[in-house]
Amino acid sequence: GAVVSQHPSWVICKSGTSVKIECRSLDFQATTMFWYRQFPKQSLMLMATSNEGSKATYEQGVEKDKFLINHASLTLSTLTVTSAHPEDSSFYICSAPTGEGYGYTFGSGTRLTVV
Amino acid sequence: ILNVEQSPQSLHVQEGDSTNFTCSFPSSNFYALHWYRWETAKSPEALFVMTLNGDEKKKGRISATLNTKEGYSYLYIKGSQPEDSATYLCASDRGSTLGRLYFGRGTQLTVWP
Repeated sequence: GAVVSQHPSWVICKSGTSVKIECRSLDFQATTMFWYRQFPKQSLMLMATSNEGSKATYEQGVEKDKFLINHASLTLSTLTVTSAHPEDSSFYICSAPTGEGYGYTFGSGTRLTVV
Repeated sequence: ILNVEQSPQSLHVQEGDSTNFTCSFPSSNFYALHWYRWETAKSPEALFVMTLNGDEKKKGRISATLNTKEGYSYLYIKGSQPEDSATYLCASDRGSTLGRLYFGRGTQLTVWP
């Protein structure tokens, strides 16, 4: 079945630095990648949608200059958290349509801790 | 109902017990309802995608029903096993934007041997 590989699984960074999270579709082409965020005891919330070769669209309240999304190829989408602050500490996870019916395949997520 | 709500938040059962969870979602602008099984440090695994009112789907010991008119779905696990321990997520797709799923907070199931 369709697999999305997400790295890193966890990362700790200092406040003010940038962190890049990668999601690769391993056996299918992902023209679209969705980025979700989950704060403790909350539900997964869509942050942004990336489309290969075009600009990402961001949900209301998500700073596009802080969360840079690049989708340069059909198999790779990246999310860069720039100038990270402790309030950006969260769980980030990507997903892509599998092309099979209505389904979506998820990465395994990245736990970001900013200290 | 404005948001996707799941109950209970957590559940502890003995091996062999049958169990069920509830997902409530807005019945307006309904497009599809997704159920996922999510083990720690792994990717959420798609269980079911349900679109039609009255739909019933089954996968091994797990089954789900859907009522789009009243906005709820039930997930049933028959004869729970320790390997069923996971968080079960439901997500509503309102069809307005591709991929925009509205998730509940999940039901965390623990099955004790």
